[in-house]
Amino acid sequence: NAGVTQTPKFRVLKTGQSMTLLCAQDMNHEYMYWYRQDPGMGLRLIHYSVGEGTTAKGEVPDGYNVSRLKKQNFLLGLESAAPSQTSVYFCATSSGLMNTQYFGPGTRLTVL
Amino acid sequence: RKEVEQDPGPFNVPEGATVAFNCTYSNSASQSFFWYRQDCRKEPKLLMSVYSSGNEDGRFTAQLNRASQYISLLIRDSKLSDSATYLCVVNSGGFKTIFGAGTRLFVKA
Repeated sequence: NAGVTQTPKFRVLKTGQSMTLLCAQDMNHEYMYWYRQDPGMGLRLIHYSVGEGTTAKGEVPDGYNVSRLKKQNFLLGLESAAPSQTSVYFCATSSGLMNTQYFGPGTRLTVL
Repeated sequence: RKEVEQDPGPFNVPEGATVAFNCTYSNSASQSFFWYRQDCRKEPKLLMSVYSSGNEDGRFTAQLNRASQYISLLIRDSKLSDSATYLCVVNSGGFKTIFGAGTRLFVKA
């Protein structure tokens, strides 16, 4: 089993460009999350999903959109990238909201 | 005040040493507690859950003090492979899982 995978692993964008990050899981988990991790700060929740077709805002949702069209996939979109969105993005899944979260390997995004 | 606070370190210890990390949380209604480990440029991975009565997993011991709102992690007989960042994680119900910024540990030969 691959667990949780993320594509791409690295990306460099120019300000104003758009992109989509893909998270895929084969763990059959209902819950999926997108976090960003910045130096000196803990992981911060961007958006999350409690099941196929549902999404909700987390702590820092501005500038991001998400979709969960299939249970195994959770997409994170940046419509108009800004330098403040330079970060490492992690996707995670869990079988319950208070259960262990399993993380993907991360995407390192730089916005110039 | 941050909801979950950790000493960022780094802690530099020799192999075989015992090292302890503390973490404080601000929400008294918090319900679930975890320690995650994150290696350099890698994803976080669960190290252990923290139970009210305290729990042990090999060389690792976790304690929870609800009255003082802190969690601790004790590592005995440190190995080089224990070098990593340790994240304190607190769930306050629902989606509200808060990750601490982490404590860096370097174990030296």
